[in-house]
Amino acid sequence: AQSVTQPDIHITVSEGASLELRCNYSYGATPYLFWYVQSPGQGLQLLLKYFSGDTLVQGIKGFEAEFKRSQSSFNLRKPSVHWSDAAEYFCAVGALWAGGTSYGKLTFGQGTILTVHP
Amino acid sequence: NAGVTQTPKFQVLKTGQSMTLQCAQDMNHNSMYWYRQDPGMGLRLIYYSASEGTTDKGEVPNGYNVSRLNKREFSLRLESAAPSQTSVYFCASGTVDSNQPQHFGDGTRLSIL
Repeated sequence: AQSVTQPDIHITVSEGASLELRCNYSYGATPYLFWYVQSPGQGLQLLLKYFSGDTLVQGIKGFEAEFKRSQSSFNLRKPSVHWSDAAEYFCAVGALWAGGTSYGKLTFGQGTILTVHP
Repeated sequence: NAGVTQTPKFQVLKTGQSMTLQCAQDMNHNSMYWYRQDPGMGLRLIYYSASEGTTDKGEVPNGYNVSRLNKREFSLRLESAAPSQTSVYFCASGTVDSNQPQHFGDGTRLSIL
């Protein structure tokens, strides 16, 4: 079964500092990978996705992520964090199950809470 | 654009009570999903519906039932609520293509006393 691990439960950065949130996945074939952001009291908003092609993908709000097959990773980065980036971030993987379709089902990581200090 | 709409937004129940959470989407998506979100556990799939008229269990289906009423609506029912079902519930819609993102509602915050 596929799985997603976000090793960091909580990260604190200063406003203007760079950010990297880690995501590792486990799956035998090429996965489809997503990063979502959840602001307090809100639903999940898609930041970016990867499913083929260029391994460096750009998303909304200045975020980017790099797919590294050799490391089974899909880390999220931002060069300069803004106070409004404080939220919880989720990595998710969607993939074809052997012998059928996953029907678009996603497996989520545990989430990383980002705190931004002024 | 409404997207995915969940009702109610908040609810408090007593143990043993029943309740139905409603979800509707206006994006003409075939697939719909119910997740629960608990601290430190991310989102876990309860049930999903790949298309109108079909439903199937996800990772944590026990204690829940679902109904895909039509293409737009997918409801989640707790027949006899238990404190362990205190959670935030999210409905999502999407396509069956694994490379397409799901769209989420704002959630229902459910407390069971």
